[in-house]
Amino acid sequence: NAGVTQTPKFRVLKTGQSMTLLCAQDMNHEYMYWYRQDPGMGLRLIHYSVGEGTTAKGEVPDGYNVSRLKKQNFLLGLESAAPSQTSVYFCASSYNPLAGGPSYEQYFGPGTRLTVT
Amino acid sequence: EDKVVQSPLSLVVHEGDTVTLNCSYEVTNFRSLLWYKQEKKAPTFLFMLTSSGIEKKSGRLSSILDKKELFSILNITATQTGDSAVYLCAVLMEYGNKLVFGAGTILRVKS
Repeated sequence: NAGVTQTPKFRVLKTGQSMTLLCAQDMNHEYMYWYRQDPGMGLRLIHYSVGEGTTAKGEVPDGYNVSRLKKQNFLLGLESAAPSQTSVYFCASSYNPLAGGPSYEQYFGPGTRLTVT
Repeated sequence: EDKVVQSPLSLVVHEGDTVTLNCSYEVTNFRSLLWYKQEKKAPTFLFMLTSSGIEKKSGRLSSILDKKELFSILNITATQTGDSAVYLCAVLMEYGNKLVFGAGTILRVKS
């Protein structure tokens, strides 16, 4: 049981390049989330998904797109990277609390450190 | 705008000291308040508080939620070097199971 995994762990991009971050969870969680963490700002929600085939915007969605084609995977895409997107990206997953899931707790992946030059 | 504010931003103590970390919030649809500990990588869950009161975790960690005054406190007694970490407070929103995080408190425990 790996929990939440993220690939890659590190990446350096040039301005304007694109990339996709992959998040996978093996806990059969309905909800998945993408956050970014910057110094002095805590974690901010980028996008989230409440089930396969659904996505919704979070607090800071601009410049990012997401897809949830399979329940266990949540992809975060940067179409044209900018230096302002230099950050550590965390994926998380949880049960659906509205369906009487056992916990509201969000389980986090190990993070991806992205640098855009 | 939903907001979670933590204080202090950082703290240095000696082993054995007691520390108190603060978290205040202003959100539109409060469900619960959560505390996470973040060492090198992913945040790990400590507590979730939904009702005003006290929740103990490991005997040395405890947390209080005051829903009337909109704040929470995390207490760590008899601190150890292994308690050195960033402590994150987050409010769980009523809809979408979304978390709004504070900026965190950096705790360093010196031996």
